[in-house]
Amino acid sequence: EVQLVESGGGLVQPGGSLRLSCAASGFTFTDYRMNWVRQAPGKGLEWVSHMTSSSNTYYADSVKGRFTISRDNAKNSLYLQMNSLSAEDTAVYYCAKELTVGYHYFDYWGQGTLVTVSS
Amino acid sequence: EIVLTQSPATLSLSPGERATLSCRASQSVNNYLAWYQQKPGQAPRLLMYDASNRATGIPARFSGSGSGTDFTLTISSLEPEDFAVYYCQQRSNWPLTFGGGTKVEIK
Repeated sequence: EVQLVESGGGLVQPGGSLRLSCAASGFTFTDYRMNWVRQAPGKGLEWVSHMTSSSNTYYADSVKGRFTISRDNAKNSLYLQMNSLSAEDTAVYYCAKELTVGYHYFDYWGQGTLVTVSS
Repeated sequence: EIVLTQSPATLSLSPGERATLSCRASQSVNNYLAWYQQKPGQAPRLLMYDASNRATGIPARFSGSGSGTDFTLTISSLEPEDFAVYYCQQRSNWPLTFGGGTKVEIK
């Protein structure tokens, strides 16, 4: 059974940093590209970042230069380092697995971790 | 960036009725479009991909159509568990983008 479990969310002050983690199991992690998707309270979905198994990365313009996606294939884990946080980054952050190579759709999602940026 | 516009914002229907949801892209995405369902407090669930392919385990009452800029998700006969928010998402170009969502509510 595929499982994605996010952790690391919490309350952070504006300008602060946070590192999210996603532990993956139930599939061959190295075979799949992984993503972060976020959802602000009461709002829609926003794709944040994507990483291939060979470490190619993509970012939404709203986070480029502030967020860094990474993965540890040996630990079946995905990470999101978030710096220079602002209130606009307040959201539930989901880790999401891609359907298959080249199909940038998300067939499995974690339960999400809430990041709140506030003073 | 490709903008996806979903309509209507809210659809009020009764169980057993047919639901028709629309997603329009600001430029052609070929057929590279997916639909997701999200219920309160839950992560989204993939329903359809590449416009008309049902994801694993999705009931046949869900169908998708369209290509280019205009897409439709149809639920042939609404079940109580289908009342939720639905999002479309394109994979044609980076950045990946989602539509703003359509809420299907009980009338």
